[in-house]
Amino acid sequence: DAKTTQPNSMESNEEEPVHLPCNHSTISGTDYIHWYRQLPSQGPEYVIHGLTSNVNNRMASLAIAEDRKSSTLILHRATLRDAAVYYCILRSLTEGAGNQFYFGTGTSLTVIP
Amino acid sequence: EPEVTQTPSHQVTQMGQEVILRCVPISNHLYFYWYRQILGQKVEFLVSFYNNEISEKSEIFDDQFSVERPDGSNFTLKIRSTKLEDSAMYFCASGSNGKNTGELFFGEGSRLTVL
Repeated sequence: DAKTTQPNSMESNEEEPVHLPCNHSTISGTDYIHWYRQLPSQGPEYVIHGLTSNVNNRMASLAIAEDRKSSTLILHRATLRDAAVYYCILRSLTEGAGNQFYFGTGTSLTVIP
Repeated sequence: EPEVTQTPSHQVTQMGQEVILRCVPISNHLYFYWYRQILGQKVEFLVSFYNNEISEKSEIFDDQFSVERPDGSNFTLKIRSTKLEDSAMYFCASGSNGKNTGELFFGEGSRLTVL
């Protein structure tokens, strides 16, 4: 699986936007970029995914660079509940069933009241 | 909203004992997974399961581990003879498709403590 690189930690003030970067310079043409987050003492939770175009949903926005070698997860207004570890994951299109993906170390986001 | 449920939430066992962790995936999902997370470390893939067979497993998933979907609703992870290093949080996940576009839904986890 293609590797992703994220900062170990970031801080944000409550109610301000947060931009979480991810580098994936070895991404292949069929890899989708997924973001998950893990709140303290909980299982990972899907946030958003995309291929080439920017994506928006109720939780966040995903901005994908034109060359797809990097992406940014945008939380428009951070709340205390957004404090979590955020994982940027590339999900490859492989033969057969499963297409499981692999978590890296992620970015630990601290939200300051 | 449908969710993946896992039992037990916490199990304490003695080294060498067998442990079964249970998961009820979301009802119309076809792809099932187990991951584990040792305290303070990253989430690690163990095994994926589709069409009543293992589709992929990691190096961690050795002969001491097995998975089963005994009755069409539960998905279980068995550790035959637990070791101290098996102490971790175990997460079950399910997905409706196995493509690279699909999202996975994770349970809250089962914490296993091996003494």
